[in-house]
Amino acid sequence: DQQVKQNSPSLSVQEGRISILNCDYTNSMFDYFLWYKKYPAEGPTFLISISSIKDKNEDGRFTVFLNKSAKHLSLHIVPSQPGDSAVYFCAADRGSTLGRLYFGRGTQLTVWP
Amino acid sequence: DTEVTQTPKHLVMGMTNKKSLKCEQHMGHRAMYWYKQKAKKPPELMFVYSYEKLSINESVPSRFSPECPNSSLLNLHLHALQPEDSALYLCASSQDPGYEQYFGPGTRLTVT
Repeated sequence: DQQVKQNSPSLSVQEGRISILNCDYTNSMFDYFLWYKKYPAEGPTFLISISSIKDKNEDGRFTVFLNKSAKHLSLHIVPSQPGDSAVYFCAADRGSTLGRLYFGRGTQLTVWP
Repeated sequence: DTEVTQTPKHLVMGMTNKKSLKCEQHMGHRAMYWYKQKAKKPPELMFVYSYEKLSINESVPSRFSPECPNSSLLNLHLHALQPEDSALYLCASSQDPGYEQYFGPGTRLTVT
């Protein structure tokens, strides 16, 4: 049962434009959300996170928005750069002390010049 | 410094071999994790160590045996693996369970 869903397996964006990656979740107990970026044959790199007490968190070109009522979050990358081309994973945590992250299946972002 | 190191980078082993994967972090993190990742799939949690004690075992077959010798080191001992165990094995650490996890580069394991 996939509790974190990324329904778009791929996204293609021109350099300089905005990339919007979406993520939906089903478990209302999730209260901490993270985005990771992954290049082939490397480990995921932590990008940005958001707690359920916020609806927006920004770090440089990356902004994460959380809509709790819709159980939806999105990652905005502005402006997009070719080096952003990677697989992006959304992950969620239930706020327990166990450390179990629930991952989406990922979205392949391609930024073309 | 948010570095998690893993050795070896690549490993090829036969089904009767015994080998170990190693992971190290010097960030003072108290939680460490092993994940398995197959191509085009998300990481799959295998084990969680919290304060050097095994806190989660996701029903992983006994041919995978984790070990946490101290707060900076995490090993994964492999024995009698199957070809379907071939995957990228990722180690991660976090300040405490429930905080953001930092991943190592992974070990690409091939079982022949």
